[in-house]
Amino acid sequence: AQRVTQPEKLLSVFKGAPVELKCNYSYSGSPELFWYVQYSRQRLQLLLRHISRESIKGFTADLNKGETSFHLKKPFAQEEDSAMYYCALKAGGSYIPTFGRGTSLIVHP
Amino acid sequence: KAGVTQTPRYLIKTRGQQVTLSCSPISGHRSVSWYQQTPGQGLQFLFEYFSETQRNKGNFPGRFSGRQFSNSRSEMNVSTLELGDSALYLCASNEGVGTDTQYFGPGTRLTVL
Repeated sequence: AQRVTQPEKLLSVFKGAPVELKCNYSYSGSPELFWYVQYSRQRLQLLLRHISRESIKGFTADLNKGETSFHLKKPFAQEEDSAMYYCALKAGGSYIPTFGRGTSLIVHP
Repeated sequence: KAGVTQTPRYLIKTRGQQVTLSCSPISGHRSVSWYQQTPGQGLQFLFEYFSETQRNKGNFPGRFSGRQFSNSRSEMNVSTLELGDSALYLCASNEGVGTDTQYFGPGTRLTVL
């Protein structure tokens, strides 16, 4: 069975500081990894997926199969980045992603 | 296209009662998934329906059940409510095949007193 671990429940940084939200996974096959974000009073939405190799709102995430990690990074945090971030994994042949418990990011002015 | 809608948005029930939540997916989406979101446990998968059939099921007791109608709308039911069932219940839809992104509804906030 697959598992997603987000070791930090809360991450607090100041505006302009670099941000790294950690995500580790356990899965023996080739996973699909995602980051979802939930801003205050908004619905959960996809931020990015590893197969797209894109940067969304300045965030990037690289799949490291050796370390089984998919950390989300942004070089300069903005106050509007404050939100709940969930890492998710979809195993091969599965239609449903497994979510981590989430990390709350707070960016102080 | 209109997004995923959920009704009602808020519910207050007492222990022992039952509740039914409704979800209307994005037009054309045949898969509907349900999640329970709590501060302590995060997002926990309840079940997924595809073309009126339960295709995946999470690790929840039998008090939690669901169904999907021919128009892809889905309902979930929780019987004999417990205090620990208080949570935000999220519904998500996608086309149901391949590597589709899940689109989430705003959720139903259930409070059990």
